[in-house]
Amino acid sequence: AQKVTQAQTEISVVEKEDVTLDCVYETRDTTYYLFWYKQPPSGELVFLIRRNSFDEQNEISGRYSWNFQKSTSSFNFTITASQVVDSAVYFCALEASNTGKLIFGQGTTLQVKP
Amino acid sequence: DAGVIQSPRHEVTEMGQEVTLRCKPISGHDYLFWYRQTMMRGLELLIYFNNNVPIDDSGMPEDRFSAKMPNASFSTLKIQPSEPRDSAVYFCASSWGRGVGNQPQHFGDGTRLSIL
Repeated sequence: AQKVTQAQTEISVVEKEDVTLDCVYETRDTTYYLFWYKQPPSGELVFLIRRNSFDEQNEISGRYSWNFQKSTSSFNFTITASQVVDSAVYFCALEASNTGKLIFGQGTTLQVKP
Repeated sequence: DAGVIQSPRHEVTEMGQEVTLRCKPISGHDYLFWYRQTMMRGLELLIYFNNNVPIDDSGMPEDRFSAKMPNASFSTLKIQPSEPRDSAVYFCASSWGRGVGNQPQHFGDGTRLSIL
């Protein structure tokens, strides 16, 4: 079975704090893809990053960074120096190579207070 | 470039009525996905198409739901008859290929459906 678990339901931080959103996945496939999407209060789903299972290099994009560790089946997302505009629901998702289907975690609601 | 376009943005209707949600994927994309988002079940895939052909409809909740893709630039999701438990946000997404480069699914803004 394939599954994505985001154990943190809600996180609240004060602006400029660093925050890490956890994502743990389960799959038996050797080839798969992992994603993070952001859903701001306006409701749309915004793509943030896609990684394939053969690329364990960490990635940094501005204040965002992602730590992919196959050994622990985790794909964690860190926001450095958080800002109020980062307040949103963040979803981690898994796509198995032979299906094209995205399986989403339940999402983590991040609130950044000024 | 225009993104995935969904209409209507909001729909309020009475139980028993037919509801039709529409989606225009990004031009050139060959995969189209319909998702439903609820508080209880989160984001779940209902059905997806490849080159206008339905590939997997295992997520469609019941026979009241149907989806079509008559051409590469248009898809519909229909609920007939609608029930209050169908109230949710319905997202359409499209992508080009699968497992090719960095090609994510791009989502529309969603249709917020309320069945009274």
